[in-house]
Amino acid sequence: EDQVTQSPEALRLQEGESSSLNCSYTVSGLRGLFWYRQDPGKGPEFLFTLYSAGEEKEKERLKATLTKKESFLHITAPKPEDSATYLCAVGEGGGGNKLTFGTGTQLKVEL
Amino acid sequence: DAGITQSPRHKVTETGTPVTLRCHQTENHRYMYWYRQDPGHGLRLIHYSYGVKDTDKGEVSDGYSVSRSKTEDFLLTLESATSSQTSVYFCAISDPGLAGGETQYFGPGTRLLVL
Repeated sequence: EDQVTQSPEALRLQEGESSSLNCSYTVSGLRGLFWYRQDPGKGPEFLFTLYSAGEEKEKERLKATLTKKESFLHITAPKPEDSATYLCAVGEGGGGNKLTFGTGTQLKVEL
Repeated sequence: DAGITQSPRHKVTETGTPVTLRCHQTENHRYMYWYRQDPGHGLRLIHYSYGVKDTDKGEVSDGYSVSRSKTEDFLLTLESATSSQTSVYFCAISDPGLAGGETQYFGPGTRLLVL
């Protein structure tokens, strides 16, 4: 059974204080590791897809990396507008294009 | 914006009543999904569709049924709502046949309260 564990559950940062969020996973056949951002009362917003170990993707202050067992979302010099819940999901092998989600990391960036 | 709308956006209903939630997309994506999101559980797949009239069960399908008679619409029905079905429901779409097509894009959600 596919499993996704995100840590920490919650993180409070000062503006400009860089940090990383972790997503560890077990899956029988990885068909993508996905990162989403979710603001309160909204649907998840797609950030990145990673397909193979060693792959990295960047967008503004965010950089996602992937190993065979985990992914990191690095946040460099965060701003208050980066406050959100960050969700990680893995796509499994086989049919259906199904995703298994972690429970998320709630990030709060303060002035 | 993946052109996904959900209706209603909020609904309050009573235990035992039937409820139908609608997901509408404007870009002819092949796959559509229904998830529920609850504190401590993350997003869990209820049902998904891989084409018109082609559907399959997800992780938490008991008490739910779906229908897809047109490409653009995917309906989720709670035949007899229970308090345990109080949740936020999200629709998503994807096109696995395209490059990067495994990525799912989500709608705005429907908040359902079953009293």
